Amino acid sequence: AQSVAQPEDQVNVAEGNPLTVKCTYSVSGNPYLFWYVQYPNRGLQFLLKYITGDNLVKGSYGFEAEFNKSQTSFHLKKPSALVSDSALYFCAVRALTSGTYKYIFGTGTRLKVLA
Amino acid sequence: DAGVIQSPRHEVTEMGQEVTLRCKPISGHDYLFWYRQTMMRGLELLIYFNNNVPIDDSGMPEDRFSAKMPNASFSTLKIQPSEPRDSAVYFCASSQPGRHGYTFGSGTRLTVV
Repeated sequence: AQSVAQPEDQVNVAEGNPLTVKCTYSVSGNPYLFWYVQYPNRGLQFLLKYITGDNLVKGSYGFEAEFNKSQTSFHLKKPSALVSDSALYFCAVRALTSGTYKYIFGTGTRLKVLA
Repeated sequence: DAGVIQSPRHEVTEMGQEVTLRCKPISGHDYLFWYRQTMMRGLELLIYFNNNVPIDDSGMPEDRFSAKMPNASFSTLKIQPSEPRDSAVYFCASSQPGRHGYTFGSGTRLTVV
């Protein structure tokens, strides 16, 4: 089955420290991978995507993600966390199911950056 | 661009009543998606349209749910009759042809009492 997993419900990190939010996927063919962020009472906002090319993808607000084909992972990273980064983060993968493409979202990881 | 616009932002209704959620996608986006978000089930795709045509409605939970897109600038998601378990945040999203990644609306928080 095609799926995406975010193994951590919550990640806590101190302000100024590096952060990592994990994502692994299972999809047939070449994966299209995405990260979205959701602030309270708001819709999801697109952060970055991997389609092809360089395995390290840079996105909005200083975030980046590394595509690792052998580990089927697409972890979200930031060198120095800010309190304002506290939000819910979703990983998503485009998957071909029953002849149509769908975007499958993970269950989300709540990031708390502590001052 | 005002982004994807959803209305109402909040809806409280009694069980058994009809509820209609509305969405205006970004002009030029030819894909429109309806998602439901709950704590228990996360983000679920309900249905999506391409050029106003429903492509996949396999995520629609049951016949009480229906969605329409009468033109490129408007879509509705209707629940009739509503039940307490329908309480959730419903998101609409749209995307451009040939591009990847969605733009989401701010959502409608539905509470059925």
